Amino acid sequence: AQSVAQPEDQVNVAEGNPLTVKCTYSVSGNPYLFWYVQYPNRGLQFLLKYITGDNLVKGSYGFEAEFNKSQTSFHLKKPSALVSDSALYFCAVRDYNDYKLSFGAGTTVTVRA
Amino acid sequence: DAGVTQSPTHLIKTRGQQVTLRCSPKSGHDTVSWYQQALGQGPQFIFQYYEEEERQRGNFPDRFSGHQFPNYSSELNVNALLLGDSALYLCASSFYAGEAFFGQGTRLTVV
Repeated sequence: AQSVAQPEDQVNVAEGNPLTVKCTYSVSGNPYLFWYVQYPNRGLQFLLKYITGDNLVKGSYGFEAEFNKSQTSFHLKKPSALVSDSALYFCAVRDYNDYKLSFGAGTTVTVRA
Repeated sequence: DAGVTQSPTHLIKTRGQQVTLRCSPKSGHDTVSWYQQALGQGPQFIFQYYEEEERQRGNFPDRFSGHQFPNYSSELNVNALLLGDSALYLCASSFYAGEAFFGQGTRLTVV
């Protein structure tokens, strides 16, 4: 079985401050990890992924995430948040020998000007 | 590149009716997955199609069925609609083990 937990329903930050969205996962094998962003009434937009290799992954729009195997975490980060980053963020995991993505419940990020 | 396209964008159906949703994958992608996203929740995996066969299925009843065509496009069919089927239905396409790209979704409302 595979699952994802996003412990924070909401994250609020001021523009220009660092942004962190937390994610922990559970899989039986090796994880493939993903972050997606969703704007109102839209589909999911891919941000970044971890498959193997360097634990620090860089993605779109200045986002990055760090894979930590011992803590089973894959937190999303951005050094300087923008108002336009305000959206709903989903972490997802797929076991290497599985096909389905399992998503967390999502974290709503609000960046105030 | 048009990306993943879904139709229709919105749909209202009555309880007990049947509905068909359509998806065209991103160019070069051969795998299509369907997800249901209820309001305020993360997407839930319905099933995945590859080479015109259902390769994996999530925890959804048999009222949910699908099809993949030779051009890799796909349909999701839901029979005997329930109020609880109201949700955003997302189609995602991928190639081999690559990341999934999602369409804009179809908002289904069952009344």
